[in-house]
Amino acid sequence: KAGVTQTPRYLIKTRGQQVTLSCSPISGHRSVSWYQQTPGQGLQFLFEYFSETQRNKGNFPGRFSGRQFSNSRSEMNVSTLELGDSALYLCASSFTGWRGHNEQFFGPGTRLTVL
Amino acid sequence: ELKVEQNPLFLSMQEGKNYTIYCNYSTTSDRLYWYRQDPGKSLESLFVLLSNGAVKQEGRLMASLDTKARLSTLHITAAVHDLSATYFCAVDFFNAGGTSYGKLTFGQGTILTVHP
Repeated sequence: KAGVTQTPRYLIKTRGQQVTLSCSPISGHRSVSWYQQTPGQGLQFLFEYFSETQRNKGNFPGRFSGRQFSNSRSEMNVSTLELGDSALYLCASSFTGWRGHNEQFFGPGTRLTVL
Repeated sequence: ELKVEQNPLFLSMQEGKNYTIYCNYSTTSDRLYWYRQDPGKSLESLFVLLSNGAVKQEGRLMASLDTKARLSTLHITAAVHDLSATYFCAVDFFNAGGTSYGKLTFGQGTILTVHP
């Protein structure tokens, strides 16, 4: 069974630009969660999608958004990039995200550098 | 505020020694996860602990969960260099409605270095 895939793996952008990251979950998994990992803040939850609906959202500004498609693939977008957005962005998929089915499997991550 | 705290944050061990990483969490939860992360890599699932008293072992690693104490431990036996990595615990928090909808709250991570 193929694991979670994320594209691109590395990205360099400049301040003020926007970026779109993509995540394909494990086949059959319908819940996709996104996390930001930085040395200072650690691993922080961004949002979760299930059946094309955002069900949960972390404490991030509105510049961070996402969506999910009918095939469960998900994208996240960051607009008006700031230096502090430099991070490893991890996508995780689980069967449903519901209690009892929330074991999450992580993709390789996208390393975003904002200059 | 929901908190997950690990200690120690840094652990330098000699090969062959034993040690324990602790994970405390602040709110009732009945499931806890341990992950391993190698430098520049993603998170690899190690253990899923689903109930009070759960104990799981894989090789030189053993994890346990005490939901009453809100404590999980990751015990390392006879450490080897290949275990050098960062270890995270993560918790599902469930509200009165019964779900956290895909959110895991992570500890700060414990950076483990095993020396020859």
